[in-house]
Amino acid sequence: DAGVIQSPRHEVTEMGQEVTLRCKPISGHNSLFWYRQTMMRGLELLIYFNNNVPIDDSGMPEDRFSAKMPNASFSTLKIQPSEPRDSAVYFCAIPRGGRRSDTQYFGPGTRLTVL
Amino acid sequence: AQTVTQSQPEMSVQEAETVTLSCTYDTSESDYYLFWYKQPPSRQMILVIRQEAYKQQNATENRFSVNFQKAAKSFSLKISDSQLGDAAMYFCAYRSMTGGGADGLTFGKGTHLIIQP
Repeated sequence: DAGVIQSPRHEVTEMGQEVTLRCKPISGHNSLFWYRQTMMRGLELLIYFNNNVPIDDSGMPEDRFSAKMPNASFSTLKIQPSEPRDSAVYFCAIPRGGRRSDTQYFGPGTRLTVL
Repeated sequence: AQTVTQSQPEMSVQEAETVTLSCTYDTSESDYYLFWYKQPPSRQMILVIRQEAYKQQNATENRFSVNFQKAAKSFSLKISDSQLGDAAMYFCAYRSMTGGGADGLTFGKGTHLIIQP
C-alpha cells in the first residue's frame, strides 16, 4: 500500500471538457509528484511540489495543464480544455519520510480517455 | 539530462528459472539512486528494489537482486525462481541525489516479462 489515493480511477470525457484529477496522500506529505504514462512517451514527470510549492513544472505539456497543492494532504491536476492526445494514465507519487524519503511510492493512477 | 535505456522490449522465462533484465543509463553525476519498478496489468507501480550509487554492495530483496556496475553505468535486475506472479512490465528508473527528495524519476521504456508455466 503506497498510502496514496487517486480519484477518479477512470475518466472518460469529450474533447474540450475540463478534467480534474485528484491525489490524496493518506498521511500528509509536503512533496508530491505527478507523472503521465502513454504508449508513445512512456512514463514522464509532469510536475513536482516541495513544501506545497511547485518546484519544476517543465514537464507540463502546455498551458492547458495546471496543478495545485493547497496543502500537504491534497493535490489536483487540471486539464482545460482536454484533447484526445491527453489520453493517458496519470500517477501521483510521494516520497516516504525518514531515511526512505528518496524513494517514491505511486498511487494507483487515473486512466483518462478523451474522445 | 539523464537517460535510461532498457534494450529488451520483451523477455520470456520458464517458471522457476532465472531471468535478467538489462538497464543502462547515462549521467554526469556521481551520486544518484537507481530503482526497478514492477507494473502488473492492474497498472499499479510497485517498487521492487533500490540501489544507492555510493554503495558498492549490490542490493537484494528476496528473489530479486541487482548487478550494479557504476563504471559501465549498468543496472540489471535478476529474478530467481521466477513465479507466475512476476509477469509484468518492469521499469528501470534513475533519480538524482542532489535535490534532497524533490527530484523526479527518469524512467526507461520498460521490459515486458512473460512467465511460461
